[in-house]
Amino acid sequence: QVQLVQSGAEVKKPGASVKVSCKASGYTFTGYYMFWVRQAPGQGLEWMGWINPNTTGTNSAQKFQDRVTLTRDTSISTAYMELSRLSSDDTAVYYCARDTVNGGVDYWGQGTLVTVSS
Amino acid sequence: QSVLTQPPSVSGAPGQRVTISCTGSSSNIGADYGVHWYQQLPGTAPKLLIYDNTNRPSGVPDRFSASWSGTSASLAITGLQAEDEAEYYCQSYDSSLSGVVFGGGTKLTVL
Repeated sequence: QVQLVQSGAEVKKPGASVKVSCKASGYTFTGYYMFWVRQAPGQGLEWMGWINPNTTGTNSAQKFQDRVTLTRDTSISTAYMELSRLSSDDTAVYYCARDTVNGGVDYWGQGTLVTVSS
Repeated sequence: QSVLTQPPSVSGAPGQRVTISCTGSSSNIGADYGVHWYQQLPGTAPKLLIYDNTNRPSGVPDRFSASWSGTSASLAITGLQAEDEAEYYCQSYDSSLSGVVFGGGTKLTVL
C-alpha cells in the first residue's frame, strides 16, 4: 500500500532553516510528482511547490521561490523540502503529497509540525 | 486572499443536501484546468474526495458529487451525516501563477 512517512516535529529559531523528509513506499517513486503543502494553525492549505522525482525538475509558488529547496534521493525513495530564513509566519504543519496530475493528490503524508519561535 | 474563492462556512441538518462553491477565473477553472476537492477532518491530513471536476476515487460514497461550469465548480453532499462535518477545499492549477492553487476552505457544520 502507498505510504508517505514524514520526519518528526521541529522547533527552530527565526532565521534558521528546516529540512523535512518524506519517505515513499508502495509505489514507483519516480512515477509521480511530489507536492509540498503547508497549513498554518487554523488556516487553509497552501501549495508550496512540486518536484518531479524522475527528472529533479521543480516548480515553486512565487511566494517561496527564493526560500524553498525541493530535492529527492531516489535510492531511498525520499523527497525533501528545505525552507530557509524562517520566521514565526512559517509555523505550520508541512505535508508531502503524491500528485497524479489529472487525478488530484491521492496520498498525503502525516504532516510535520514546524514551530518557529525565539 | 485565495485565488479560488469558497464560502467560509455552510451548514445543514442530517439527511439534507448542501453545496459548496469554488469560484475561480479564466486562468484556472475557466482555462479547463481540472478541479479537485478534498475533505479534511480535524487533526488529519486532507483526503481526496473528487478529482478532475467530477470523478470519485474508489471508496468515496456517491453522496459526494461535483460539477463545474465556466469559471466555477461546486461540490454537493446529499444525505448529510454527522461524519461529514469537516473542512472542504477545492484545488486547481493557475496559468497566470504557473502553480497550484487551493481555495480558502469551507467549514461544513452538520446541525
